Amino acid sequence: AQSVTQLGSHVSVSEGALVLLRCNYSSSVPPYLFWYVQYPNQGLQLLLKYTTGATLVKGINGFEAEFKKSETSFHLTKPSAHMSDAAEYFCAVTQASGTYKYIFGTGTRLKVLA
Amino acid sequence: GAGVSQSPSNKVTEKGKDVELRCDPISGHTALYWYRQSLGQGLEFLIYFQGNSAPDKSGLPSDRFSAERTGGSVSTLTIQRTQQEDSAVYLCASSLGPLEVQYFGPGTRLTVT
Repeated sequence: AQSVTQLGSHVSVSEGALVLLRCNYSSSVPPYLFWYVQYPNQGLQLLLKYTTGATLVKGINGFEAEFKKSETSFHLTKPSAHMSDAAEYFCAVTQASGTYKYIFGTGTRLKVLA
Repeated sequence: GAGVSQSPSNKVTEKGKDVELRCDPISGHTALYWYRQSLGQGLEFLIYFQGNSAPDKSGLPSDRFSAERTGGSVSTLTIQRTQQEDSAVYLCASSLGPLEVQYFGPGTRLTVT
């Protein structure tokens, strides 16, 4: 069975500081990994995804994530936080065969301090 | 173009009543997902439809929950004999295929009193 763990339900960073949101997964088969973002009063939207190939994936709004198989991690980073990054971030995993159901983490709410 | 739409946006119902939640996916999207979002629980997978294949119902929490997708388009999630623990936001998403970007609807907030 697949699972996702997001460490830290709430993360606060200062504007201009590094953003690091942690995601660890469990999967018995090669995973496909995603980060989705939910801005206040908006629907979820895709930030980035890893399927195959390059392990460093770049997404929208300056975010990127690196797939590290040895650490079973897919942490999300951004070099410099903006006030507009305040949102809830969800990591998700699925697999490339069999059922394509997605398992989402419990989310990390990012607060950006002025 | 039009995104995923869901109706109603809010539903308040009494315990024990049945409710139907509707999802209109983006035209041409073959994959459709239902999730439940509860405070502090993240997104909980409920059911997944892909084309004409049998749906993956493994996330439905009890036999009070069912869903159908008619004509490969509109989907309805039905909850029978609602309980207070069913209160949550129910989200629908659709995608071109199972590993493609999921586009989420605005959700239906269900409150069971």
